[in-house]
Amino acid sequence: AQKVTQAQTEISVVEKEDVTLDCVYETRDTTYYLFWYKQPPSGELVFLIRRNSFDEQNEISGRYSWNFQKSTSSFNFTITASQVVDSAVYFCALENTGFQKLVFGTGTRLLVSP
Amino acid sequence: GAVVSQHPSWVICKSGTSVKIECRSLDFQATTMFWYRQFPKQSLMLMATSNEGSKATYEQGVEKDKFLINHASLTLSTLTVTSAHPEDSSFYICSANSPRTEAFFGQGTRLTVV
Repeated sequence: AQKVTQAQTEISVVEKEDVTLDCVYETRDTTYYLFWYKQPPSGELVFLIRRNSFDEQNEISGRYSWNFQKSTSSFNFTITASQVVDSAVYFCALENTGFQKLVFGTGTRLLVSP
Repeated sequence: GAVVSQHPSWVICKSGTSVKIECRSLDFQATTMFWYRQFPKQSLMLMATSNEGSKATYEQGVEKDKFLINHASLTLSTLTVTSAHPEDSSFYICSANSPRTEAFFGQGTRLTVV
């Protein structure tokens, strides 16, 4: 069975702080994709990243960075120098290659205050 | 880039009526689309897989007679909530995968049944 766990329900930080959102996944498959999506209050899902299970290189995109560690089945997301506009719910998701459908974690609500 | 359009973005209906939600892939063909449901402050749960030209595949616990899915063309899938009740009030969101890339999500539909 596939499962994604986001243990942090809600995180509150002050602007300019760094924050890390945790994601732990379970799957029996050897090939899969991991995703992070941002869901602002308006509801739409904003795609942030897709990572192939064979690519364990960490990735940085502006203030965002991702740490993929297969050994611990984790795919953590760090926002550096957080901003108020980062306030949203962030979802980690898993897709087993070839099936296309996603299994979502329960989400982490990030509140960034000025 | 690829875009998935969902309509309407919000709808209020009376209990007992039916509501149709459309999901369109605007610049690619999608033989498969997915419908998710999200209750307030909860995660997204897959309801069904919509297959072009064939019957939809429903997840366990989802009533296929209540949530009718039609995928009549390569760019359009519809979800009809039949005989809606207040407990069907939720955020419904569709997704489609363009070939060999990540899933693209529609804007979502917020359904309120009164």
